[in-house]
Amino acid sequence: DAKTTQPTSMDCAEGRAANLPCNHSTISGNEYVYWYRQIHSQGPQYIIHGLKNNETNEMASLIITEDRKSSTLILPHATLRDTAVYYCTQWGDSGGGADGLTFGKGTHLIIQP
Amino acid sequence: DAGITQSPRYKITETGRQVTLMCHQTWSHSYMFWYRQDLGHGLRLIYYSAAADITDKGEVPDGYVVSRSKTENFPLTLESATRSQTSVYFCASGGWETQYFGPGTRLLVL
Repeated sequence: DAKTTQPTSMDCAEGRAANLPCNHSTISGNEYVYWYRQIHSQGPQYIIHGLKNNETNEMASLIITEDRKSSTLILPHATLRDTAVYYCTQWGDSGGGADGLTFGKGTHLIIQP
Repeated sequence: DAGITQSPRYKITETGRQVTLMCHQTWSHSYMFWYRQDLGHGLRLIYYSAAADITDKGEVPDGYVVSRSKTENFPLTLESATRSQTSVYFCASGGWETQYFGPGTRLLVL
């Protein structure tokens, strides 16, 4: 069972910021929050990850709450190509061995023209 | 081009047959992984490898065999295919923190 909860679907207008929430209330101290996305019929694509500080890269920003029980992925200027299923997952480098990445159902983000 | 490739992309086989799915990466990543993705179950780890000649079981290893004689290759073998192994199989490589996925192999077992 997935350890994270996300809304099933979201819409966002092209050019606007897309904010995708994720709850991970059972996250432990050594587990990171990871975000991946999967465009239809393709393999999952890494987006970003973080432990407790906010992170930014060329694709997105990740905002993690102070208690680490939730986070938000921000796509600052969404384009039609960002339409995909976005997965939030938690994973620790010490305990993740046999479990690997676990994806739940994710959020289907639809970018509207 | 550098990257991770899988072959075949599509495969239809019959129950009881042996099938091997290939995975090749050009990044010299230490870790390689095999996942299956099914509706209702999301992504599940089958096997992973930390380096050549080192492999370990994931969440759903039964019915599968892996090997890693070379760093760049990580084949997955279904020794005797069953209908429950119909799925989309993804190979990934990377460091332990970040994984890069291949395009997937869609396997249908009749």
